Amino acid sequence: EAQVTQNPRYLITVTGKKLTVTCSQNMNHEYMSWYRQDPGLGLRQIYYSMNVEVTDKGDVPEGYKVSRKEKRNFPLILESPSPNQTSLYFCASKDDRGPYNSPLHFGNGTRLTVT
Amino acid sequence: GQQVMQIPQYQHVQEGEDFTTYCNSSTTLSNIQWYKQRPGGHPVFLIQLVKSGEVKKQKRLTFQFGEAKKNSSLHITATQTTDVGTYFCAGEDSSNTGKLIFGQGTTLQVKP
Repeated sequence: EAQVTQNPRYLITVTGKKLTVTCSQNMNHEYMSWYRQDPGLGLRQIYYSMNVEVTDKGDVPEGYKVSRKEKRNFPLILESPSPNQTSLYFCASKDDRGPYNSPLHFGNGTRLTVT
Repeated sequence: GQQVMQIPQYQHVQEGEDFTTYCNSSTTLSNIQWYKQRPGGHPVFLIQLVKSGEVKKQKRLTFQFGEAKKNSSLHITATQTTDVGTYFCAGEDSSNTGKLIFGQGTTLQVKP
């Protein structure tokens, strides 16, 4: 089954303790992206990657890191989490080869709480 | 920078009533996508509109793309409890960078 898999689904941590949220897709998509969802603000892009070893900042990259060593994986790293990073995070991927924007396929989300 | 504004933020309707959510962009869009997120779920792609003035239907859902390609709407006829969720529009600007800007979403509640 074609899917984007994120782990963990829920994560509670303390300020300053490094964490990684994993994301993997099995659709051979070049494009992958991370979003955070906050009430009233919709989905805001954190980082995206057009292909292996190519990553770019989105609209809200501060406090986050990503890497794209393999096509299928795109982990999100919080080196020193802070309470303002408490949010619902989504990983997404899409096929970038068509003439128009392709639909995004989202993972199930990771609800992060930083105390 | 490019912004996509979506209204209303919340809408409560009685089952059977109609519902509409609107998106407006500060810049001309090359295309717009609509997504639905069920409570506790993740956004799921519904449809993409590309042409100026385009209208597409999916059963009780009607999607429109404005003539100037700066606005779009989603209209649901005779809502059902299964329509509950948050509806997002996402526009790609006309430079075709592939970057999607999401609206803030409209959360629909349907009273049975």
